[in-house]
Amino acid sequence: EVRLVESGGGLVQPGGSLRLSCAASGFTFNSDWMHWVRQAPGKGLVWVSRINSDGVTTTYADSVNGRFTISRDNAKNTLYLQMNSLRVEDTAVYFCAREGRGGSHDFWGQGTLVTVSS
Amino acid sequence: EIVLTQSPGTLSLSPGEGATLSCRASQSVSNTYLAWYQQRPGQAPRLLIFATSFRATGIPDRFSGSGSGTDFTLTISRLEPEDFAVYYCQQYGYSPLYTFGQGTTLE
Repeated sequence: EVRLVESGGGLVQPGGSLRLSCAASGFTFNSDWMHWVRQAPGKGLVWVSRINSDGVTTTYADSVNGRFTISRDNAKNTLYLQMNSLRVEDTAVYFCAREGRGGSHDFWGQGTLVTVSS
Repeated sequence: EIVLTQSPGTLSLSPGEGATLSCRASQSVSNTYLAWYQQRPGQAPRLLIFATSFRATGIPDRFSGSGSGTDFTLTISRLEPEDFAVYYCQQYGYSPLYTFGQGTTLE
């Protein structure tokens, strides 16, 4: 069974940093592209970032480019999102997701809440 | 920048009825790169349909997808109580690289 479990969310002040983790199991983690998608309270889904299977290729949404860094440790089956210079508008539930066919996201974690507030 | 517009915003139906949800893209989208998701309250999204019309693993056949170019449709026949949720379409390829529609609430 594919399982993705996020952790690391919490309350942080504007300008602060936070690192999210996503522990993966039930599939060959080092074969798949992985993503972060976020959802502000009461709002829709917004793609944040992706990383290829070996961690060499990364892509970011314009809104987080230069502030967030996606990475992975295939030996630990774990995906990360380092978030720096956080803004109030970064407040959201952050989901990790596996890339499926046709650019879809076929498995999702339960999400971790990040709140940026003073 | 591509925009996906879903309609209606809210769809009010009863169990047993059929539902038709629309997703219109501001630019032509390849059929290969159009997906649909269901999100129940407090839960993560679940992939329903990928490549416009292919059901994801474990998705009942009452869910079907169709369309091409800029107009795509998710059809749910014979609504079950667990189908009442928010539905999102998503495209891959244009900027932003992965774009979601704003969602349709099925109530």
